[in-house]
Amino acid sequence: EAGVTQFPSHSVIEKGQTVTLRCDPISGHDNLYWYRRVMGKEIKFLLHFVKESKQDESGMPNNRFLAERTGGTYSTLKVQPAELEDSGVYFCASSPFEGRTNTGELFFGEGSRLTVL
Amino acid sequence: GNSVTQMEGPVTLSEEAFLTINCTYTATGYPSLFWYVQYPGEGLQLLLKATKADDKGSNKGFEATYRKETTSFHLEKGSVQVSDSAVYFCALSDPFSNTGKLIFGQGTTLQVKP
Repeated sequence: EAGVTQFPSHSVIEKGQTVTLRCDPISGHDNLYWYRRVMGKEIKFLLHFVKESKQDESGMPNNRFLAERTGGTYSTLKVQPAELEDSGVYFCASSPFEGRTNTGELFFGEGSRLTVL
Repeated sequence: GNSVTQMEGPVTLSEEAFLTINCTYTATGYPSLFWYVQYPGEGLQLLLKATKADDKGSNKGFEATYRKETTSFHLEKGSVQVSDSAVYFCALSDPFSNTGKLIFGQGTTLQVKP
């Protein structure tokens, strides 16, 4: 069974440019999460989808970040325009839907490293 | 709010040494607690978990006990190997959310030398 895959693995862009990160969750996983780790600090939650619906986007830093999950399958995270402080590793994770007690394991991708110059 | 604090790294040990990585948490309610590990070039993967007080999670020789009285979940291993070199993250699940959202610590890098 394929795991969570993320693309690209590394992206280097200049300030003001646009970058789109993609995540393909494990097939059948309704929950999809985006997290970010900046400069060796803690991994911070960005948002959570259940199928195509945004369940919680409380961690999105600002309106330069846009996440979508069309059809409830893969997800994209677009940063436009990118700023220096957006540099970091963006992780995607998925898990099966477990109803009211979603306390199970998250399955993570390898992450997409974003460098903004 | 809920938070997780881990000991600062990097931690450098010789093979077969004893490992402890400290983790303490702040949470209202009763979260589940997790240790995730990221090996070089790989994604995070669950190492072990505990869902209630006094539970002990264990896997691959690692173990951690959910201590409610000290709000801790320290990771231990009796004899580390070079292959244990990785970044270790302590995490908790938000006890008042059914979304499965995790709150992570800053990670501790472990380097084991032969």
